[in-house]
Amino acid sequence: GESVGLHLPTLSVQEGDNSIINCAYSNSASDYFIWYKQESGKGPQFIIDIRSNMDKRQGQRVTVLLNKTVKHLSLQIAATQPGDSAVYFCAEKASGNQGGKLIFGQGTELSVKP
Amino acid sequence: EPEVTQTPSHQVTQMGQEVILRCVPISNHLYFYWYRQILGQKVEFLVSFYNNEISEKSEIFDDQFSVERPDGSNFTLKIRSTKLEDSAMYFCASTAGYEQYFGPGTRLTVT
Repeated sequence: GESVGLHLPTLSVQEGDNSIINCAYSNSASDYFIWYKQESGKGPQFIIDIRSNMDKRQGQRVTVLLNKTVKHLSLQIAATQPGDSAVYFCAEKASGNQGGKLIFGQGTELSVKP
Repeated sequence: EPEVTQTPSHQVTQMGQEVILRCVPISNHLYFYWYRQILGQKVEFLVSFYNNEISEKSEIFDDQFSVERPDGSNFTLKIRSTKLEDSAMYFCASTAGYEQYFGPGTRLTVT
């Protein structure tokens, strides 16, 4: 069946360090991936996305890497700040329908120590 | 910046009662969704809506659930007879194509 999962449920980093959050997906037909940040009591907030025809995409302080060979997705946050503390979810969308549902992973809680 | 809004932020209801959760998607978006998140768990897809009809639904979205777009701005989720296990955060989302933007959620508590 299709599933998206995360390698590490919790990640604790020092302020200023770089963070790497990993995600494995099992549906090789997925063509679109998103990272969301969720703060306590709030909805998922879009961070960055990547389509399957790319292997890297950069945003402001964030980079998403996609390795289709091993079906692995990662989110890199540069110079992590206390405001980055949240739960991070990866999500995938199956190909064929640009408005298709997202399948979410379990989430990784990022804790940034000042 | 446009955003998805949801009301109410918190709804408490008794088991067996009907609830309607409301959402106003981003105005130029074409696809609308409801997801739910049980406390401490991942976000789960319920239903997607496009061109005034359901385009996909999950096994969670049974006959007790329905969605409606009663006018040009609102998108609602109705649960006809709530059960204890319906207690969760319910998120509405919308997109013009790929990236889905989520609302702040409605916390539904069924007692």
